Amino acid sequence: GAGVSQSPSNKVTEKGKDVELRCDPISGHTALYWYRQSLGQGLEFLIYFQGNSAPDKSGLPSDRFSAERTGGSVSTLTIQRTQQEDSAVYLCASSLLDRQETQYFGPGTRLLVL
Amino acid sequence: QQQVKQSPQSLIVQKGGISIINCAYENTAFDYFPWYQQFPGKGPALLIAIRPDVSEKKEGRFTISFNKSAKQFSLHIMDSQPGDSATYFCAASTPLLRYDMRFGAGTRLTVKP
Repeated sequence: GAGVSQSPSNKVTEKGKDVELRCDPISGHTALYWYRQSLGQGLEFLIYFQGNSAPDKSGLPSDRFSAERTGGSVSTLTIQRTQQEDSAVYLCASSLLDRQETQYFGPGTRLLVL
Repeated sequence: QQQVKQSPQSLIVQKGGISIINCAYENTAFDYFPWYQQFPGKGPALLIAIRPDVSEKKEGRFTISFNKSAKQFSLHIMDSQPGDSATYFCAASTPLLRYDMRFGAGTRLTVKP
């Protein structure tokens, strides 16, 4: 596809379960970003990938959060032992490496932890 | 983490009116100031952006005004249309951490027909 895609679009899970969120960036975009958007809040930066490596993980809120990227393309954000405060929209974006100011966002995954 | 303050939280404007959304920042290292538009169920999309070497940038009905000394910037939507109804986010980034966009909390704009 032409844009960034994310799956699932919605996820309902029970507290304590693990969840995996997937992002397919725009083809050719070396840079990939994950953000979290809580209700009534702006976007919160989580992690940045340059190719398959993550030079900046500073935004990950706890060690329950992890992310990986394989083949310089698909990325997975994993949340272990989910908590109710993890409920949010998780957005993925991608860009060319030398145009990081121009990020293209996916539609997001809406996570609800019961 | 939020370093950009955005106001108002919500805004209702009549069709044809001017919508104005304001943002303020503290970090003088910020040198890139984009505005994003987000429709329900969609991800944010870059609308317009400005760098501090200019005080104003206009693209169609959308204008960014930038006041470096006051550390403030604003989005003006002229001749607002119902199709402009969306949530708008301002953001800022530094040259060293260009990827780390700091977003405002967002403004929900409703344009009434």
